[in-house]
Amino acid sequence: SQKIEQNSEALNIQEGKTATLTCNYTNYSPAYLQWYRQDPGRGPVFLLLIRENEKEKRKERLKVTFDTTLKQSLFHITASQPADSATYLCALPASGGSYIPTFGRGTSLIVHP
Amino acid sequence: KAGVTQTPRYLIKTRGQQVTLSCSPISGHRSVSWYQQTPGQGLQFLFEYFSETQRNKGNFPGRFSGRQFSNSRSEMNVSTLELGDSALYLCASSGSVWGSTGEQYFGPGTRLTVT
Repeated sequence: SQKIEQNSEALNIQEGKTATLTCNYTNYSPAYLQWYRQDPGRGPVFLLLIRENEKEKRKERLKVTFDTTLKQSLFHITASQPADSATYLCALPASGGSYIPTFGRGTSLIVHP
Repeated sequence: KAGVTQTPRYLIKTRGQQVTLSCSPISGHRSVSWYQQTPGQGLQFLFEYFSETQRNKGNFPGRFSGRQFSNSRSEMNVSTLELGDSALYLCASSGSVWGSTGEQYFGPGTRLTVT
């Protein structure tokens, strides 16, 4: 079955800097990959979806890359703000053989003012 | 448009009891998925319903079950509760079956504590 790995250590950065989060996956060739944001005690909120034929996707200060050769996605937040502090989850759709959507454990981002 | 709603928000149960959680999806959404989130295992897929039919099921024991009604509202039931069932249970709705558009809208969750 597919497996997702995200950095379990919190990422601490200063306000204004670019945050980069990593999502690696194995045993799978997904048609697309998603990123969600989750705040404590709340449900995840969809941020971006990137398809396998897209190398990069942007939305305001967010940028996602998708390298199907490396089996890796990078999630960037430019000009980060304290309000960006949250846990960011990477998600893969159900695979052909195992029809189960899979989420990574998430990386906690802390932006210091 | 109103978001996904879940009731109750908090629940405390005793081992051996059963519990039913409810989810109302966004109007017009026919796909409802359920997830269990714990600090140890993260977010894990339980099952998905689309037009009252269970489409997918995760790797959970048969004590976990669900159903969907004709108005797309969904319930999940956990029987014979165990301490390890303590978790945040999240419901998510989608305008299409997962694997199609892929974008899911999550509710606030039900925090279940089993004592």
